[in-house]
Amino acid sequence: SQTIHQWPATLVQPVGSPLSLECTVEGTSNPNLYWYRQAAGRGLQLLFYSVGIGQISSEVPQNLSASRPQDRQFILSSKKLLLSDSGFYLCAWSAIRPERAWRSPLHFGNGTRLTVT
Amino acid sequence: SQQGEEDPQALSIQEGENATMNCSYKTSINNLQWYRQNSGRGLVHLILIRSNEREKHSGRLRVTLDTSKKSSSLLITASRAADTASYFCATGMDSSYKLIFGSGTRLLVRP
Repeated sequence: SQTIHQWPATLVQPVGSPLSLECTVEGTSNPNLYWYRQAAGRGLQLLFYSVGIGQISSEVPQNLSASRPQDRQFILSSKKLLLSDSGFYLCAWSAIRPERAWRSPLHFGNGTRLTVT
Repeated sequence: SQQGEEDPQALSIQEGENATMNCSYKTSINNLQWYRQNSGRGLVHLILIRSNEREKHSGRLRVTLDTSKKSSSLLITASRAADTASYFCATGMDSSYKLIFGSGTRLLVRP
């Protein structure tokens, strides 16, 4: 069966420090991968999605970036964190290409709680 | 702005009662999905209803969709304390590759 792993589960970082969050998927090939951010008590905001190695699409221009160095690995990074980067970051995968994302469920990891101080 | 908006924002019921949550959206959709999120965890897919369907069941869950009113409801029957979570609707359409999530309903089921 397919599983998705995110780490770390929680992270406290000072303003201006770098960030690297990692997500890996097991049990499937060529998944479509997504990074979402959830502010406290709010819905999810799509940040990035990827349909293959090295292919990244950005939804929200900000100081975050994403990379997909391997088929089942998705990394969210920042060179310098801002206070506004605090939130709950969720990685997800689907078997359907993003342009038909509505046809298929998204499968989420357990998230990373990031606090920027 | 959010495509889907859940109502109410928060709901508190006694175990054994039914819980009804509503979702309204603004534009035409191809399907609507409901997800559940336990506190501090990722979202779990519950059910998907297509735009040509009016009702769908899964265990104690019943989802309805009224495309003329651009609304959907999620009914949880015979609620349990373990149903305590936030519930989100998400809409998708052909013209966009994104699933758009609402801000959720926080459900508390009191034992």
